[in-house]
Amino acid sequence: DAGVIQSPRHEVTEMGQEVTLRCKPISGHDYLFWYRQTMMRGLELLIYFNNNVPIDDSGMPEDRFSAKMPNASFSTLKIQPSEPRDSAVYFCASTVLAGGAPSPDTQYFGPGTRLTVL
Amino acid sequence: AQKVTQAQTEISVVEKEDVTLDCVYETRDTTYYLFWYKQPPSGELVFLIRRNSFDEQNEISGRYSWNFQKSTSSFNFTITASQVVDSAVYFCALSEENTGNQFYFGTGTSLTVIP
Repeated sequence: DAGVIQSPRHEVTEMGQEVTLRCKPISGHDYLFWYRQTMMRGLELLIYFNNNVPIDDSGMPEDRFSAKMPNASFSTLKIQPSEPRDSAVYFCASTVLAGGAPSPDTQYFGPGTRLTVL
Repeated sequence: AQKVTQAQTEISVVEKEDVTLDCVYETRDTTYYLFWYKQPPSGELVFLIRRNSFDEQNEISGRYSWNFQKSTSSFNFTITASQVVDSAVYFCALSEENTGNQFYFGTGTSLTVIP
């Protein structure tokens, strides 16, 4: 089975440009998470969805960041306009609640998108 | 307050040595889950283990073993006879039943195994 797929793997852009990161979760998973990893802050949860609905976006740094999940197999994280401090590795992860139980299950991560904003 | 603390920022060991990575967590929930992930130099995050709060049995998987002690709120990870391929950043994470699927990650421990 394919794991979580992210694209692009690397993105270099200039300050002020719009950046769109894409994620395809594991088929059948109903939770999707976006994380950002930097040396200074480590792994930060930005937002997560359940059944395509955003549940908690309190980690989204500011209005320049937005995320959507139009269907169960696709999500985007958009930064507009991008700034140099947005440079980081962005991870997408997905999981499913085993048997519908409320217990947190293992999150499976994609390979990440390394974003560099010049 | 940090929910997961990995006090060791960097560790270096010589190949074949044993090494223990510490993880201390903080929660008021009675039901919670602990995880370890490995992040090799290639960058992906690889799931290693999931343990729930009701199962304090230690677990062994090959050269890897985990020691879960609720009394000290610790979930330590030991690599026996370390190998160069074990060089990576290791993350400990906590998930509480009352906060759904949100994970709290530690800051990671960078392990370097010297040949």
